Amino acid sequence: DTEVTQTPKHLVMGMTNKKSLKCEQHMGHRAMYWYKQKAKKPPELMFVYSYEKLSINESVPSRFSPECPNSSLLNLHLHALQPEDSALYLCASTGLAGGAYEQYFGPGTRLTVT
Amino acid sequence: DAKTTQPNSMESNEEEPVHLPCNHSTISGTDYIHWYRQLPSQGPEYVIHGLTSNVNNRMASLAIAEDRKSSTLILHRATLRDAAVYYCILRDLEGGTSYGKLTFGQGTILTVHP
Repeated sequence: DTEVTQTPKHLVMGMTNKKSLKCEQHMGHRAMYWYKQKAKKPPELMFVYSYEKLSINESVPSRFSPECPNSSLLNLHLHALQPEDSALYLCASTGLAGGAYEQYFGPGTRLTVT
Repeated sequence: DAKTTQPNSMESNEEEPVHLPCNHSTISGTDYIHWYRQLPSQGPEYVIHGLTSNVNNRMASLAIAEDRKSSTLILHRATLRDAAVYYCILRDLEGGTSYGKLTFGQGTILTVHP
């Protein structure tokens, strides 16, 4: 199974809502990533977890709160978002054994903040 | 992060070869050259990677210049399904970690004509 799944596929939320995005992989990968992609732009790295610990935070606003409850799951908790946070949120994972560390991406959650 | 430069767009006809160039003049000795592609409405997909030698896999070939300052992704027979944004990325071993991170550039939009 080389699949990264993300739920929900689409999410519409108001600026006062709290919601969560979920990502799951069962490839035994120990590094997981969140990216944000605006329309017609490349993906931008937000967070990296390695062995369930936050390793990289690319200066992301605190209204985005990542969580890695176990080696297969990655969540992104959203609170008090702004309309400019509307984007495609991509999750990815990679193995940590030697080599190229190709990243496997999920299909993304398309978020609209109203 | 070492940067890459790609043409904004390229066009090809179906069943013809496509050569997608990438310049990376500031590449370091430990940077792997990765290619990913993103089909419309999907997450990015790993295509191929290399360090110094040319590489082939079932999807494509990667030709790396001897000085490693440029590379070319080769699709041997383009199909309509190959229409996508192609990203050339140098995998950065962030802070000596074993998983690195990917910094996406603007990529090349490949259009394939029937």
